Amino acid sequence: KAGVTQTPRYLIKTRGQQVTLSCSPISGHRSVSWYQQTPGQGLQFLFEYFSETQRNKGNFPGRFSGRQFSNSRSEMNVSTLELGDSALYLCASSLNSGRLETQYFGPGTRLLVL
Amino acid sequence: SQQGEEDPQALSIQEGENATMNCSYKTSINNLQWYRQNSGRGLVHLILIRSNEREKHSGRLRVTLDTSKKSSSLLITASRAADTASYFCATDNALSNTGNQFYFGTGTSLTVIP
Repeated sequence: KAGVTQTPRYLIKTRGQQVTLSCSPISGHRSVSWYQQTPGQGLQFLFEYFSETQRNKGNFPGRFSGRQFSNSRSEMNVSTLELGDSALYLCASSLNSGRLETQYFGPGTRLLVL
Repeated sequence: SQQGEEDPQALSIQEGENATMNCSYKTSINNLQWYRQNSGRGLVHLILIRSNEREKHSGRLRVTLDTSKKSSSLLITASRAADTASYFCATDNALSNTGNQFYFGTGTSLTVIP
């Protein structure tokens, strides 16, 4: 099976712009989670989508949003970019949404905000 | 925050030696998982241990879990240069209601010297 894919892999934006990142989960997986990784804060949970519904949301401002399509592909959007949004954004998929699910991560999208 | 902490933050060993890293967390959990990340790439799932398990093995990996101390350890035996990576523990929160919200530790950076 193909793994989790994320596009684009690298992105450079300027402050105030918005950005959309895409994640295609492993075939058959219905849960997609998003994480932000920075050197200072480490890996932080953004949100999880399951069957097109947001199930969990981390402690991020409303500028961070996401959605999931009927084919389980997911997008996350960050509006009004700030310098501090520069990070590696990781997407993870799992078969279902549950406590014992193993999450499979994509390679990430590295976002640089200038 | 339930974010765990790994100890040590960095570890450097010779090839063939064993590497041990520890993870502490704050709340009750259902499971704990260990992941490996190579230099700013996606995370690779290594092993999952459930809260009712005390020890688990997978190849050269041995994981222990002590829920009374809220801690886990990952032992990599007979290390190889290819094991050079950052290692993270991730936990769920047994007190939360739903979903795949995982909390990652701060990571241990392991360097295996050939």
